Amino acid sequence: KNEVEQSPQNLTAQEGEFITINCSYSVGISALHWLQQHPGGGIVSLFMLSSGKKKHGRLIATINIQEKHSSLHITASHPRDSAVYICAVNSGAQKLVFGQGTRLTINP
Amino acid sequence: GAGVSQSPRYKVAKRGQDVALRCDPISGHVSLFWYQQALGQGPEFLTYFQNEAQLDKSGLPSDRFFAERPEGSVSTLKIQRTQQEDSAVYLCASSDRDRGPTSNQPQHFGDGTRLSIL
Repeated sequence: KNEVEQSPQNLTAQEGEFITINCSYSVGISALHWLQQHPGGGIVSLFMLSSGKKKHGRLIATINIQEKHSSLHITASHPRDSAVYICAVNSGAQKLVFGQGTRLTINP
Repeated sequence: GAGVSQSPRYKVAKRGQDVALRCDPISGHVSLFWYQQALGQGPEFLTYFQNEAQLDKSGLPSDRFFAERPEGSVSTLKIQRTQQEDSAVYLCASSDRDRGPTSNQPQHFGDGTRLSIL
């Protein structure tokens, strides 16, 4: 079993829909990261959080430390949000442990 | 300012050849990481440098993989006697100085090198 599990693996939605991607982890962590990866490989850091909730534009990330669970929400989704979203954790070390990613497709 | 730069972007090599992948981190970033991403999978950790010191190389899959960062800036990942299972995207990331043993910094990723072994 992977230390970081994401669901769903694939998600297709219509433009404007509210999107939720889930991440569960089985290890103690010092930080959790949400990353975005577009075709071609480049990875962009969206959020780093260790408690509570963070918001940036239409993106919201929450984390529940007791339940070892985090969610990434996208409001008013747009086709340009189509990408792979990856959850990753620092488990007391500097290196990241990654989930397998969620491929999101937003249709116009 | 410039982000993390990796070269080459694509590399095709025949099985058995040696390859070298380069990473130019963001200027002044202390920490540098190498990750390997197989097709359709999340990245997996290979090795970590703090300045020129290789503090963790637990993810290197075999002794054919070697990484260095001799002056604490540019890093090179070398793979000797390549095999087909080495085909993957190799990602480099850098981050600023950590503020303490339990604090972490966001990692800034390069676009990766896509390695194909024929």
